[in-house]
Amino acid sequence: QSALTQPASVSGSPGQSITISCTDTSDIGSHILVSWYQQHPGKAPRLLIYEGIHRPSGVSNRFSGSKSGNTASLTISGLQAEDEADYYCCLYGGTSYVFGTGTEVTVV
Amino acid sequence: EGYLVESGGGLVRPGRSLRLSCEASGFSFDDYDMHWVRQAPGKGLEWVSGITWDGSHSDYAASLKGRFTISRDNAQNSLYLEIHSLRPEDTALYYCVAGKFSTSYIDFWGQGARVTVSS
Repeated sequence: QSALTQPASVSGSPGQSITISCTDTSDIGSHILVSWYQQHPGKAPRLLIYEGIHRPSGVSNRFSGSKSGNTASLTISGLQAEDEADYYCCLYGGTSYVFGTGTEVTVV
Repeated sequence: EGYLVESGGGLVRPGRSLRLSCEASGFSFDDYDMHWVRQAPGKGLEWVSGITWDGSHSDYAASLKGRFTISRDNAQNSLYLEIHSLRPEDTALYYCVAGKFSTSYIDFWGQGARVTVSS
């Protein structure tokens, strides 16, 4: 069973780029199984990146996904105040999902 | 754009049972696998259970097997979750979510049904 570890918090200044890592304790497998979700306080999560690298329509191109070895990553470029939120990676297991531990992003 | 509306949450005594419902609209319900994801207060997301588009297969988080039962009614565009022998640690916001069959991600999220287990 995978366990996905993310940093508890990441911060950056407006305009900077930050990267959130998502490391699988076993084998994260293909990047197409990885998705990322953004959750603002008091709101439901929303899909940010699917199949590791793709953005749904309506998601800013400041968000990008990648994978290297056992680690998937989400990069936010040109950080903005509205990016303050919790971010979760997610690995699809065929009939189930495993969510990462979550990362709180702060814009300082 | 798909919409999911949960209902059935509330304050429940430990040991009792509860049935959550989720009504879907705005998309072809029977093209989607459906799941329940929960979030305890101040905590992260936890996948609870899922059921395939045709209801032929369901799955549960290992730690929850035996107390949770997921089901769906495609004619009513509805998803259900029965929780038995409720425990205080089941206190959470329960999200109904939809992922299109043969894809690996969640397209739609409901706003959640709050379940509080307390005496």
